[in-house]
Amino acid sequence: GQQLNQSPQSMFIQEGEDVSMNCTSSSIFNTWLWYKQDPGEGPVLLIALYKAGELTSNGRLTAQFGITRKDSFLNISASIPSDVGIYFCAGQPPGYNFNKFYFGSGTKLNVKP
Amino acid sequence: DVKVTQSSRYLVKRTGEKVFLECVQDMDHENMFWYRQDPGLGLRLIYFSYDVKMKEKGDIPEGYSVSREKKERFSLILESASTNQTSMYLCASSPHTGSGYGYTFGSGTRLTVV
Repeated sequence: GQQLNQSPQSMFIQEGEDVSMNCTSSSIFNTWLWYKQDPGEGPVLLIALYKAGELTSNGRLTAQFGITRKDSFLNISASIPSDVGIYFCAGQPPGYNFNKFYFGSGTKLNVKP
Repeated sequence: DVKVTQSSRYLVKRTGEKVFLECVQDMDHENMFWYRQDPGLGLRLIYFSYDVKMKEKGDIPEGYSVSREKKERFSLILESASTNQTSMYLCASSPHTGSGYGYTFGSGTRLTVV
């Protein structure tokens, strides 16, 4: 399957700090999604991006669809303890009929109060 | 409240047992997926189905089979469980077409094979 490289693999930050993570691919995607997985739960959709260059916010979260269509970025501002979890990127390549996405390996975020 | 429901949160099975993981969705979605999640490896696709009785292999189908007799239900079967199948299993569903709808995930089944 397609390879999505997500980095960093894990982060340890202080409450109040900003966070950045990214996802890259060797091929282009039409759609990028960002999910968050709380401990012991399934992933939940945070932000969806549909166009190259698009910048979308959801509260303290901001995500961007890279101009090259081969990458995406997620930023979290002023982190709080409930931001703890694993963040996954997912991309959909062009020409796929069955709404199938490929997932990155995740960024595990730890926030110290 | 739309949802994907996995029948068990935790399962412990013995090596060699036949194991059934059940998933039901109430959103009338055409597509359903089974992933396994292991630390450092992210989400790996085992099988998916885009219609009743249709199935496609994902990236790691070995040791697994699936069944989709009804639109709302997608079952993952471990024919003879082995310890290397100890993992978190996630079921997901999505509409058939249309970019960007993404997946709705269940809460996961943590399977331990002893």
